[in-house]
Amino acid sequence: RKEVEQDPGPFNVPEGATVAFNCTYSNSASQSFFWYRQDCRKEPKLLMSVYSSGNEDGRFTAQLNRASQYISLLIRDSKLSDSATYLCVVNINTNAGKSTFGDGTTLTVKP
Amino acid sequence: DGGITQSPKYLFRKEGQNVTLSCEQNLNHDAMYWYRQDPGQGLRLIYYSQIVNDFQKGDIAEGYSVSREKKESFPLTVTSAQKNPTAFYLCASSSLNRGRDGNTIYFGEGSWLTVV
Repeated sequence: RKEVEQDPGPFNVPEGATVAFNCTYSNSASQSFFWYRQDCRKEPKLLMSVYSSGNEDGRFTAQLNRASQYISLLIRDSKLSDSATYLCVVNINTNAGKSTFGDGTTLTVKP
Repeated sequence: DGGITQSPKYLFRKEGQNVTLSCEQNLNHDAMYWYRQDPGQGLRLIYYSQIVNDFQKGDIAEGYSVSREKKESFPLTVTSAQKNPTAFYLCASSSLNRGRDGNTIYFGEGSWLTVV
């Protein structure tokens, strides 16, 4: 079993749709959680951190469920420009080399 | 501008040659990383370093070497021992802050290596 697992998709949704991705992690000692966005042939870029209390940034909402060991990303009112691969990242803060990336979920938003 | 600079962006290597990818950061980050990404795949950790003159192997270190002589610099050498080096290589860095956003990783723009 992978340490961090994501549904690879692809998720194909129409503009304006709401879409949600989940990411499960296996190590209960994980302390930091992030969502990154990666466009085709580009580097990953930080989308948002995920906090225990949940956090929102515009159309994006991230949540953490420690009991069930998963994080989620909700995108409301999808735009064409949201088409990308979304990577979840889980980190055990005590060791800088222990950031584990999921393989990503691909989203395509269609007109 | 603050950030991570990788060079070259595109590199072609003949079989049997060693090549070195450059990575420089001016974010004053302690930790630096090298990842490899194959088409349609996730990121795999090659090497990482938390402090000058020290580094650790990641999941796929065979056929690669690194050095960390300066805090700002973490070059990666792809040696001839790496049997399938064609890939997208990403350098990254992070602070070792143990706060809520601890270890947020920032990436350079990547280097595309092709063996010809």
